[in-house]
Amino acid sequence: GENVEQHPSTLSVQEGDSAVIKCTYSDSASNYFPWYKQELGKGPQLIIDIRSNVGEKKDQRIAVTLNKTAKHFSLHITETQPEDSAVYFCAPMYSGGGADGLTFGKGTHLIIQP
Amino acid sequence: DSGVTQTPKHLITATGQRVTLRCSPRSGDLSVYWYQQSLDQGLQFLIQYYNGEERAKGNILERFSAQQFPDLHSELNLSSLELGDSALYFCASSVWGEGLTDTQYFGPGTRLTVL
Repeated sequence: GENVEQHPSTLSVQEGDSAVIKCTYSDSASNYFPWYKQELGKGPQLIIDIRSNVGEKKDQRIAVTLNKTAKHFSLHITETQPEDSAVYFCAPMYSGGGADGLTFGKGTHLIIQP
Repeated sequence: DSGVTQTPKHLITATGQRVTLRCSPRSGDLSVYWYQQSLDQGLQFLIQYYNGEERAKGNILERFSAQQFPDLHSELNLSSLELGDSALYFCASSVWGEGLTDTQYFGPGTRLTVL
């Protein structure tokens, strides 16, 4: 099975600064790399994902970069805002077989300081 | 709003009891997944159904079972409840099939408290 590690577990940044969260995985067959955001009292929400045929994907202030050789991918948030405060989870998987649940990292609690 | 609905939002019950959690997937999604989120175990995959058939099992206890009905809604049954079963239970859905994305969309969850 997939072993997933996320770092850091807690990240505090000043509003307007950038935040980077790293996810390391063990299964070299993984080819789909999503990031989820979970706000207090809500379910995880997909915010960005990347597939292994690309190295980087950007959507406004968020981006994901992938290093398949080193088996890690990172979430980048620029110009952070108070609404970015949440817990972020990575969940790498092999996509294509269609059968299996996600293996989540333990989460990163992002705190945006005003 | 992901389009996945879950009921009830909150459930309080006693040890030894049995409860049923309900999930309706997004329109068009054939696959339903159940997850448990607790402080000590994090977010853990329990079980997946596709078009009424069980497809994959994760860390699901024998006291727990699930099913997916012809209208594609799913129910998670938890029996002989223990204090440690207190957690958030999430349902997710995806369009699963050859060549289609496996992206999973999560519902708002059911908070179960076992007293």
